[in-house]
Amino acid sequence: QVQLQESGPGLVKPSGTLSLTCAVSGGSISSSNWWSWVRQPPGKGLEWIGEIYHSGSTNYNPSLKSRVTISVDKSKNQFSLKLSSVTAADTAVYYCARAAATSLGYYYYYYMDVWGKGTTVTVSS
Amino acid sequence: SSELTQDPAVSVALGQTVRITCQGDSLRSYYASWYQQKPGQAPVLVIYGKNNRPSGIPDRFSGSSSGNTASLTITGAQAEDEADYYCNSRDSSGNHQAVFGGGTKLTVL
Repeated sequence: QVQLQESGPGLVKPSGTLSLTCAVSGGSISSSNWWSWVRQPPGKGLEWIGEIYHSGSTNYNPSLKSRVTISVDKSKNQFSLKLSSVTAADTAVYYCARAAATSLGYYYYYYMDVWGKGTTVTVSS
Repeated sequence: SSELTQDPAVSVALGQTVRITCQGDSLRSYYASWYQQKPGQAPVLVIYGKNNRPSGIPDRFSGSSSGNTASLTITGAQAEDEADYYCNSRDSSGNHQAVFGGGTKLTVL
């Protein structure tokens, strides 16, 4: 059973770079899945940040694209998130998730079936 | 368009049926996936695809879709179903971005 675990600093200074890692256990990061980052500011809804395939192909939220880098380390079976030039608005719980994307006839499927527990990141001086 | 629209709040009497809806252009091409989130917990996938439930999700949860609207139905709502529910899909315009609806707070009375 695949499990995901986020790790990284819980406090980041304004204008700094937020760096998180998601360790994948119980399965291979080279499986046919996208590996995603999602965040949730306090009291607000879920926001998709971006995703990476084991080949290195990435998709990013256009509103964050200029500040986000997602990378994969197949040797360590993990993937990472870097978000630069952070402000207080980037304070949130950050989740990593496994996503599946496929098609059946005319329709497409996209869903996140495995989630990490989340890690809280606060941006403050 | 990359937006998914949900009603902010819905309530249901214990044991009754409730439908939570999600609207967006991408839903004409993508099946919505649905997530349940309880306070302080990570989201949990409850419905994906045409109407698929992951292992462990009760069969009172079901999904449907028509045009640009996807629905999550809970038949015989239980107290433990009180939670926030989010829909999700990819944008259908070809840029491959994913998007979540704003979420629906379900109250079981």
